[in-house]
Amino acid sequence: GAVVSQHPSRVICKSGTSVKIECRSLDFQATTMFWYRQFPKQSLMLMATSNEGSKATYEQGVEKDKFLINHASLTLSTLTVTSAHPEDSSFYICSARDPQRGLNTEAFFGQGTRLTVV
Amino acid sequence: AQTVTQSQPEMSVQEAETVTLSCTYDTSENNYYLFWYKQPPSRQMILVIRQEAYKQQNATENRFSVNFQKAAKSFSLKISDSQLGDTAMYFCAFMKGSGNTGKLIFGQGTTLQVKP
Repeated sequence: GAVVSQHPSRVICKSGTSVKIECRSLDFQATTMFWYRQFPKQSLMLMATSNEGSKATYEQGVEKDKFLINHASLTLSTLTVTSAHPEDSSFYICSARDPQRGLNTEAFFGQGTRLTVV
Repeated sequence: AQTVTQSQPEMSVQEAETVTLSCTYDTSENNYYLFWYKQPPSRQMILVIRQEAYKQQNATENRFSVNFQKAAKSFSLKISDSQLGDTAMYFCAFMKGSGNTGKLIFGQGTTLQVKP
C-alpha cells in the first residue's frame, strides 16, 4: 500500500516553545492531507485539511494561529504547534489518499507523533 | 452534520470465536463510504474493510465482514475465527465529501481484547 511517514514519532518540548511535525507521502503525491488529534483511548478528531499550495481548512474550534499548517509540496505537509502548553500534549496523526488509486479510496495514515509539553 | 456512534467501548472474545462490533451513523446523504479501521497498540491506523453505500452487497475481507443496513444506518463488523493479533481499538468511519478531499468522521472506538 501507499506509505505515509510522520516525523518525529515522539517529541518532548518545554512550555512556550514551538514544535514542528512532518508528514510525508513517500510513494505518491498528495494534494490533500489531513491532520488529526487523538487523546488516550479516544477517537481521532479532525483538526484540519492541508491543501498543497493554498491555505489549510480548519475544523470548527481549532485555533489556526496555534496549529500552523503548511503544505509546500505534493509530498510534504507540516503541522507546527506554536507556543505549546501542557494541554497541547496529545497524539497527532496525519493521513492522505493516493489519487492514482482512484477516488474515494482508503486513507493511509502516518505512524503518529506523541507530543509531550512539559 | 454527520455523526458516527459506536456504543460498545470495550469488548472481549475468546480466540477462534466470532465477535460483532456495532456502528450506527447519521447522514442525509445518499452516496457515501463507510470504513472500519483498526488501531493496534502500535497506534498505526490500518484499514480493515470498506463499503460503498450504493452497493447492496456486504463487503468481506477474509475473516472480516460487514452487515450494512442502509435504511437503518447501521454498519457492523464481524470478525470470525478471532486471533490474538486482532486485539486493537476498532474505529468505524464515515467519509464525508468525495475524492481525495473527503473527510473521515470517526466513531468513538471499541477496544477489542482477544483472549487466549
